[in-house]
Amino acid sequence: DTGVSQNPRHKITKRGQNVTFRCDPISEHNRLYWYRQTLGQGPEFLTYFQNEAQLEKSRLLSDRFSAERPKGSFSTLEIQRTEQGDSAMYLCASSLLHGEQFFGPGTRLTVL
Amino acid sequence: GIQVEQSPPDLILQEGANSTLRCNFSDSVNNLQWFHQNPWGQLINLFYIPSGTKQNGRLSATTVATERYSLLYISSSQTTDSGVYFCAVGVGGATNKLIFGTGTLLAVQP
Repeated sequence: DTGVSQNPRHKITKRGQNVTFRCDPISEHNRLYWYRQTLGQGPEFLTYFQNEAQLEKSRLLSDRFSAERPKGSFSTLEIQRTEQGDSAMYLCASSLLHGEQFFGPGTRLTVL
Repeated sequence: GIQVEQSPPDLILQEGANSTLRCNFSDSVNNLQWFHQNPWGQLINLFYIPSGTKQNGRLSATTVATERYSLLYISSSQTTDSGVYFCAVGVGGATNKLIFGTGTLLAVQP
């Protein structure tokens, strides 16, 4: 099965450290989305790519966050100078243009 | 922005019972998806249903886009159906970002 994969699955870090997450989408999907989910809430949109172009960023995505999809395949999400409020599940999804989105298993970030 | 509300917020069922989950949204949408989030956090796709009715085994869904609601039916529930059910609407024109509802927490007891 070649679903969406994310690494690492869990990350524990100290406040102020930088972290990077990776998402590998379904191979033929040209769209890739990042969402964040905090405890007891539904996921919230952060940003999305069509091929290698980042086309929209949410106001939730502060300047400490950066995302890339350099060759239109996998994507990375980096958080610099992590804060305790960044603790959440980070979810990646992929789709064909305007199509059904399929989610990866997520990366659970804990900032101590 | 668009509001997506789900009801009921919590539901406890005995194994074998049937249930209906509702999703109301406040504006026109591109599409609608139903997900089941398992205890490990994985979002499992149930239906992609911008309009009409679909069935998959014990589950079925209906979306009436003109009236801005969708329903998820679970029949003959099993303990493995437990978890959180989310509806999510695709918005933003070309972006098609998903706006998730408030969720329904389902517990199926043996």
